[in-house]
Amino acid sequence: DAGITQSPRHKVTETGTPVTLRCHQTENHRYMYWYRQDPGHGLRLIHYSYGVKDTDKGEVSDGYSVSRSKTEDFLLTLESATSSQTSVYFCASGHLLNTEAFFGQGTRLTVV
Amino acid sequence: AQTVTQSQPEMSVQEAETVTLSCTYDTSESDYYLFWYKQPPSRQMILVIRQEAYKQQNATENRFSVNFQKAAKSFSLKISDSQLGDAAMYFCAYRSNTGNQFYFGTGTSLTVIP
Repeated sequence: DAGITQSPRHKVTETGTPVTLRCHQTENHRYMYWYRQDPGHGLRLIHYSYGVKDTDKGEVSDGYSVSRSKTEDFLLTLESATSSQTSVYFCASGHLLNTEAFFGQGTRLTVV
Repeated sequence: AQTVTQSQPEMSVQEAETVTLSCTYDTSESDYYLFWYKQPPSRQMILVIRQEAYKQQNATENRFSVNFQKAAKSFSLKISDSQLGDAAMYFCAYRSNTGNQFYFGTGTSLTVIP
């Protein structure tokens, strides 16, 4: 299995607070992704990265920002958490353009 | 953006029987990749099988096989000899040959009945 770890695994936070989720991979993968999973919606892309300091928006990027200062780390920040951002967040990574994505274990975030 | 449709939110199968999960996708591209992922209750996303669009032969991985119909833009997953451990949410995914993004369907929840 690819070495992709997310932290924290679970988090409860209050509305309006900033939250940062971390993704760390040991595979030297170039591409990294953040998805959110919600019932009835499957997995939706938030942001992705195609290299250090190279990032782009996905389909549900509003309210989220990302940073990638090292190949192995990809951070997702909720600037001011809202209840609509309660979800399960997955990080994924991949090496070559045409291979599958490898996923972390997911982070369950609850915004109260 | 490409769309991936899984029209069966829930499916069930008797243990040892065969079940087929459906997936269709919309694209104007000729080169792309298709995947089936399994998500058991542990929440971990596990790759089940992949198919390259340029390959006419359907991919097979042990008890899992696909029926890839490129003209119809259909990519179904067949699970043979279903086992209790196959119970999970299954996601179909698409990735173009030129893009960086994966597009996922909404998933099919598979129950295996003992």
